[in-house]
Amino acid sequence: AQKITQTQPGMFVQEKEAVTLDCTYDTSDPSYGLFWYKQPSSGEMIFLIYQGSYDQQNATEGRYSLNFQKARKSANLVISASQLGDSAMYFCAMREPQGGSEKLVFGKGTKLTVNP
Amino acid sequence: GAVVSQHPSRVICKSGTSVKIECRSLDFQATTMFWYRQFPKQSLMLMATSNEGSKATYEQGVEKDKFLINHASLTLSTLTVTSAHPEDSSFYICSADGRLAGEDEQFFGPGTRLTVL
Repeated sequence: AQKITQTQPGMFVQEKEAVTLDCTYDTSDPSYGLFWYKQPSSGEMIFLIYQGSYDQQNATEGRYSLNFQKARKSANLVISASQLGDSAMYFCAMREPQGGSEKLVFGKGTKLTVNP
Repeated sequence: GAVVSQHPSRVICKSGTSVKIECRSLDFQATTMFWYRQFPKQSLMLMATSNEGSKATYEQGVEKDKFLINHASLTLSTLTVTSAHPEDSSFYICSADGRLAGEDEQFFGPGTRLTVL
């Protein structure tokens, strides 16, 4: 079963508007971490934001915020005031302890295009 | 801080040759590094977890004899693709666990694009 689901293969947004990228996850472990990474066409993975399973408040980092709904197992990324440079692939990932090796499992990604 | 480098960034080789890719954490130590492979328009797939001073842990379906991993120090892990074939052509990305540096996330290298002719 897929552990991280990103249902939007592609999203379009107008410059300066906000956009929400969806991510749902599946785990039975009470301790886990959720991450969002941005991958521009150059290929590098850029860390955006992190949410721990025990964090009481939604994570925020500048224009990025994470809408964490634990009961629904969702961790949507909200980008406010979109910029042309935000056009990229966005990956949601989960880290859970598995035999001492806390590896990341990635979703399939969402391609975001910001239109001028 | 928390920079991870990869070398080379791009390599083209003939079928049957071996290619070594280096992954270095430049300003922090990492007991654990990870190697991923990414095919075009797909997500990152974990190949193996590299632990300093011990054998790597490979994901199901990844041939350990083909993808040799060595993690000899807290700042260097290497991936060697042995007897490379065209189907091994891919984007290989390493990451380093940032928790020894007090960070929650994995820090990724810039990736290595391998083309096997």
